[in-house]
Amino acid sequence: SQTIHQWPATLVQPVGSPLSLECTVEGTSNPNLYWYRQAAGRGLQLLFYSVGIGQISSEVPQNLSASRPQDRQFILSSKKLLLSDSGFYLCAWSVREKETQYFGPGTRLLVL
Amino acid sequence: AQKVTQAQTEISVVEKEDVTLDCVYETRDTTYYLFWYKQPPSGELVFLIRRNSFDEQNEISGRYSWNFQKSTSSFNFTITASQVVDSAVYFCALISYNTDKLIFGTGTRLQVFP
Repeated sequence: SQTIHQWPATLVQPVGSPLSLECTVEGTSNPNLYWYRQAAGRGLQLLFYSVGIGQISSEVPQNLSASRPQDRQFILSSKKLLLSDSGFYLCAWSVREKETQYFGPGTRLLVL
Repeated sequence: AQKVTQAQTEISVVEKEDVTLDCVYETRDTTYYLFWYKQPPSGELVFLIRRNSFDEQNEISGRYSWNFQKSTSSFNFTITASQVVDSAVYFCALISYNTDKLIFGTGTRLQVFP
C-alpha cells in the first residue's frame, strides 16, 4: 500500500532563516505531488504541484520554492522565512490529475 | 470559476445525534469530481469519499452517508449517531475536468460532546 511521509513534524524558525521541508511517497511510481499550506483556522491553499521529476508548477507567487529531485521526493524550500510563512504545510500525492489526493501528516511551522 | 461553499463554520452536537454538513459547489464544467475529507486534531487530512458528476447515487458507508444533488449543486454529508471520535474539521472539495486544481471549502468544525 502507499504511504506518504513528511518531516519534520514541527519546526520553529527565526525570521530570515532558510527552510527545507521534505515529503516522500512509498508504494507508487510517478505520482503527482502537491504542497499545500493551511493558515490557522483557514482552508487549504495550493502552493506547488509536480507531475514528474524536475517539473514544478507554482500557484502562488511568494518566497517559497519547490523541487522534485527524485520521483517520489518533493521538497519545499525558502531562502529567508517571513512571519507570514507560519502555518501547517501538507504534502499530498495522487495517481494522476483529477484523481483522489492523499495527504501526509503535515508539518507545523512557526516563524518567530 | 470553481467554488466550494461550506456555510456552517462550526456545529456542536451531543453524542448519538445525527448531523448534516452542507456543501454547495459552483462550476461551469459538466464533468467534475467532489470529495469530502476529515481533519482530526492531529492535522492529517483523511480522505472519505470521491464522487463524479455523472453518479448521483447517494452513498452510505457505516454511519456516514452522502447526498449528491446536481439540481441544487450540493453534496451534503450526514453522520448518523455521532460519536466523540467524529469531532474534526470536515472539508468539501471540487476538481473540475478542465482544471487540475483541487478547490477546498473553508471547512466545518464539528464538535461532538459526550
